[in-house]
Amino acid sequence: DAKTTQPNSMESNEEEPVHLPCNHSTISGTDYIHWYRQLPSQGPEYVIHGLTSNVNNRMASLAIAEDRKSSTLILHRATLRDAAVYYCILRDASGAGSYQLTFGKGTKLSVIP
Amino acid sequence: DSGVTQTPKHLITATGQRVTLRCSPRSGDLSVYWYQQSLDQGLQFLIQYYNGEERAKGNILERFSAQQFPDLHSELNLSSLELGDSALYFCASSVEGLAGSEQFFGPGTRLTVL
Repeated sequence: DAKTTQPNSMESNEEEPVHLPCNHSTISGTDYIHWYRQLPSQGPEYVIHGLTSNVNNRMASLAIAEDRKSSTLILHRATLRDAAVYYCILRDASGAGSYQLTFGKGTKLSVIP
Repeated sequence: DSGVTQTPKHLITATGQRVTLRCSPRSGDLSVYWYQQSLDQGLQFLIQYYNGEERAKGNILERFSAQQFPDLHSELNLSSLELGDSALYFCASSVEGLAGSEQFFGPGTRLTVL
């Protein structure tokens, strides 16, 4: 899987939007962009994924740059429950891999009440 | 609740021993993944099974093995345990092992080797 780069940590105030960036300059045309998060003492949890277009779901939005070399996970209103480590992961859809998740260090998001 | 169950939640054992961790995937999911999370290595992929057959191996030690049974539950066997095997072990499942499909993680088994 191609490599991603994320800030080690970020802070947000409660009820404000949060923009979590991810750089993936070596992304290939068949790579999906996935985001997972891990709350303290829990297993990772799927957040959202996309290929080329921006995506929205009940948890978050994913904004993908036109050249696909970066993406941003957007939490529209941060709550204390959103404090977690967020992982940006690329998954190759070309059929060459087994589609396991390759986790980096992620971004630790702290939410301030 | 992801629908993936793992037992036991906690396991404490001694060096040299053997343990078995169990995972039941979400109903209908054919693919099971095992991951290890330790403080120094982070979350690492160990092995994947799809409908009873091994599909991919990651950083899995030779002392470790896994299998997926006809009812699709999976077991991870860890033998000749060492202190460094102390970690959280997560199981995840997905409908199919595809790049666009999400994985659902269980709550994990915390293994402590003394």
